[in-house]
Amino acid sequence: AQTVTQSQPEMSVQEAETVTLSCTYDTSESDYYLFWYKQPPSRQMILVIRQEAYKQQNATENRFSVNFQKAAKSFSLKISDSQLGDAAMYFCAYRSFNAGKSTFGDGTTLTVKP
Amino acid sequence: GAGVSQSPSNKVTEKGKDVELRCDPISGHTALYWYRQRLGQGLEFLIYFQGNSAPDKSGLPSDRFSAERTGESVSTLTIQRTQQEDSAVYLCASAVEGLSGELFFGEGSRLTVL
Repeated sequence: AQTVTQSQPEMSVQEAETVTLSCTYDTSESDYYLFWYKQPPSRQMILVIRQEAYKQQNATENRFSVNFQKAAKSFSLKISDSQLGDAAMYFCAYRSFNAGKSTFGDGTTLTVKP
Repeated sequence: GAGVSQSPSNKVTEKGKDVELRCDPISGHTALYWYRQRLGQGLEFLIYFQGNSAPDKSGLPSDRFSAERTGESVSTLTIQRTQQEDSAVYLCASAVEGLSGELFFGEGSRLTVL
């Protein structure tokens, strides 16, 4: 079974600074998707960024980028120029390429200090 | 609909009562998922529907929990004889199977068992 580990329960960053959230996973599959989701205090979860395992290039969405190390089974999220609205709980998730459930980590609560 | 809709948004019940939680997925989304999130914790997978079938119900914690989906649309999660440990937010998500695997979440149903 796949597992996802987020080793940082809480992180904080100064507004306009850069922060990196860590995620590792365990799988025997070669094709899969990795995701970072954001859950603000209002509760609704939204997708931040997605990475297909077969792509070597790291995904980027505006201020959000990932460092995907397939051999190391590592998938970290970098948030540049942090904003107050980035404060939320961030979840790393794994999904098999051949459909089925997504497996989530326990989350990292990010605080942004003004 | 425009997004995933869940009802009720909040439910307070007494121990031993049955509850039903409803999820209305995005129109055309063939896959539907139920997750449980205890306060400040990660997402715990409960069950996954592909169409009206449930190929993976491995996360249902006991036989008090059941779920069904009809018309490849609305899903109902039923918890019988509720216990205090059932208190949590129950999240529903839908997805278009076969694409990127991105989940679209509802705002959740917060269940409190007294």
